[in-house]
Amino acid sequence: KAGVTQTPRYLIKTRGQQVTLSCSPISGHRSVSWYQQTPGQGLQFLFEYFSETQRNKGNFPGRFSGRQFSNSRSEMNVSTLELGDSALYLCASSLSGFTQETQYFGPGTRLLVL
Amino acid sequence: KQEVTQIPAALSVPEGENLVLNCSFTDSAIYNLQWFRQDPGKGLTSLLLIQSSQREQTSGRLNASLDKSSGRSTLYIAASQPGDSATYLCAVVKAAGNKLTFGGGTRVLVKP
Repeated sequence: KAGVTQTPRYLIKTRGQQVTLSCSPISGHRSVSWYQQTPGQGLQFLFEYFSETQRNKGNFPGRFSGRQFSNSRSEMNVSTLELGDSALYLCASSLSGFTQETQYFGPGTRLLVL
Repeated sequence: KQEVTQIPAALSVPEGENLVLNCSFTDSAIYNLQWFRQDPGKGLTSLLLIQSSQREQTSGRLNASLDKSSGRSTLYIAASQPGDSATYLCAVVKAAGNKLTFGGGTRVLVKP
């Protein structure tokens, strides 16, 4: 079974631009979560989607948004990029998002904002 | 607010030595705790998941224990190998749902 895939793997953008990242979960998984990883703040939860609905949200500004499609693929969008948005963005999938389930992470998208 | 701490931040051991990695959390009302491994610049690989009702989980050379009352988990890696060099992260799920709260990780170097 294929793992979680994320595209693109690397991105370079300039301040003020916007960016869209994509995540395809493991086949059959319906819950997708997004995390931001930076050297200073570590791994922080952005949001979780299940059945095309945002089910949980972290403490990030409204510039960070996401959505999930009927095939469970998810996208996250960051508008008006800031230098501090440079990070590794990871998505994780699980079957239903229940607490007893293992979450499986993708390889991440590394975003550099200049 | 749930806080997860991993001490030390970095650890270096000779090959063959057993590794002991620590994770502590402030709020004992967790649903589960998960250990991950992260290689430089890569995503996270799930190692072990311990439900709140369990005391330990084992997989091969890996064994993780959980003591909810004291807010601690320990990951043991037996007979370490250079391939075990990576950053190890623990994360807890506190509320219903599956939001993970991560520790800062322990960077491990196993020297041949």
